[in-house]
Amino acid sequence: DIVMTQSPDSLAVSLGERATINCKSSQSVLYSSNNKNYLTWYQQKPGQPPKVLIYWASTRESGVPDRFSGSGSGTDFTLTISSLQAEDVAVYYCQQYYSTPFTFGPGTKVDIK
Amino acid sequence: QVQLQQSGPGLVKPSQTLSLTCAISGDNVSNNSTAWNWIRQSPSRGLEWLGRTYYRSKWYNDYAISVKSRITINPDTSKNQFSLHLNSVTPEDTAVYYCARGPGGRFDWWGQGTLVTVSS
Repeated sequence: DIVMTQSPDSLAVSLGERATINCKSSQSVLYSSNNKNYLTWYQQKPGQPPKVLIYWASTRESGVPDRFSGSGSGTDFTLTISSLQAEDVAVYYCQQYYSTPFTFGPGTKVDIK
Repeated sequence: QVQLQQSGPGLVKPSQTLSLTCAISGDNVSNNSTAWNWIRQSPSRGLEWLGRTYYRSKWYNDYAISVKSRITINPDTSKNQFSLHLNSVTPEDTAVYYCARGPGGRFDWWGQGTLVTVSS
């Protein structure tokens, strides 16, 4: 199984400041035949299911604000919120879909400082 | 817009079978470009993918090894839905269970979630 890790476990950022979350996979999730990274970022708020923010590591889902961006390749990935808003308080997860079983990171909780 | 509506009991006794259904609107369970998944979430295990069913000229299933001996996911084309059956449950199976559509393994539409408690 591909193990996903995230850092930090939690972070508190002032409104309008940048938040950066890291995700690492135990093996590469880059598929060489199409040069795509099989990595998704989700946002989850209390009492709701996760919501896709970013897929293919850097493609923003339709309707997601452009303050959310994803980067990285192979085994190391980053989700950046460029200017934190109050509505961004949530837990963020990365997930690999390179191979089954599909696996998730443990989550990073983002709060307002 | 795709909607997934989950139904099923919130309380299951130990050793019995957990059964949930996910009704699909806005898509078709036989869509040959996507897959239909069950995922659970608990404080101890986090988000855990359990398995999927999908149609590619015939029906296929993939299951997580952790539950492979106990799980069945079935499509129901007549009702445009799919189901989860997890047998021989223990308190460790207590979790919020989600159904989700997954083209290629990323989960773009989710059900509302069902808290299932395993307790006598």
